[in-house]
Amino acid sequence: GAVVSQHPSWVICKSGTSVKIECRSLDFQATTMFWYRQFPKQSLMLMATSNEGSKATYEQGVEKDKFLINHASLTLSTLTVTSAHPEDSSFYICSASSAPNEQYFGPGTRLTVT
Amino acid sequence: GESVGLHLPTLSVQEGDNSIINCAYSNSASDYFIWYKQESGKGPQFIIDIRSNMDKRQGQRVTVLLNKTVKHLSLQIAATQPGDSAVYFCAENYSGGSNYKLTFGKGTLLTVNP
Repeated sequence: GAVVSQHPSWVICKSGTSVKIECRSLDFQATTMFWYRQFPKQSLMLMATSNEGSKATYEQGVEKDKFLINHASLTLSTLTVTSAHPEDSSFYICSASSAPNEQYFGPGTRLTVT
Repeated sequence: GESVGLHLPTLSVQEGDNSIINCAYSNSASDYFIWYKQESGKGPQFIIDIRSNMDKRQGQRVTVLLNKTVKHLSLQIAATQPGDSAVYFCAENYSGGSNYKLTFGKGTLLTVNP
């Protein structure tokens, strides 16, 4: 149980375009989903926390107009990177939670912006 | 100056040896701690957790030790195997906060030599 999927697993896009990444909890309902970014050889940095049906809470320094997060249902959250630039190239990981101290991580999405 | 985050601490061990991975956490109010294993190109995988009312917890081949006095956490892996090669992260959480946020440590790259 507690499986989280992400789609796509990798994506290459041109600079200036937008990319949408999906995060799904497959066998449980996630009241809270988290989005992380991870650069090579670095740790996971939390970008934002989203609760189903409400606006996401962004961490300091994360541009909410650039990284649009939607959590429309208890099993799906999406992250849209708008007007992507090469510096947005990273590994994006989501996690889903239905209770405190429980976070189940997705497999990650590798974004490359050319 | 050079970013510490670009150089993961590394630990290299021989197959069959025991491994000890250390982590210093930042928030003295944190009351829940987790160790994750991350293989290349994948999301974090839960290994073991411990609450602040304990100082030791054992799992299968793994033991977590918590020293709240010095805000230190360690992960011991017994009889390390090549499949244990990965980056290991500790994460902390303060359950009295308004959400379920985790803060990740820098990570340690474990390499197991056959």
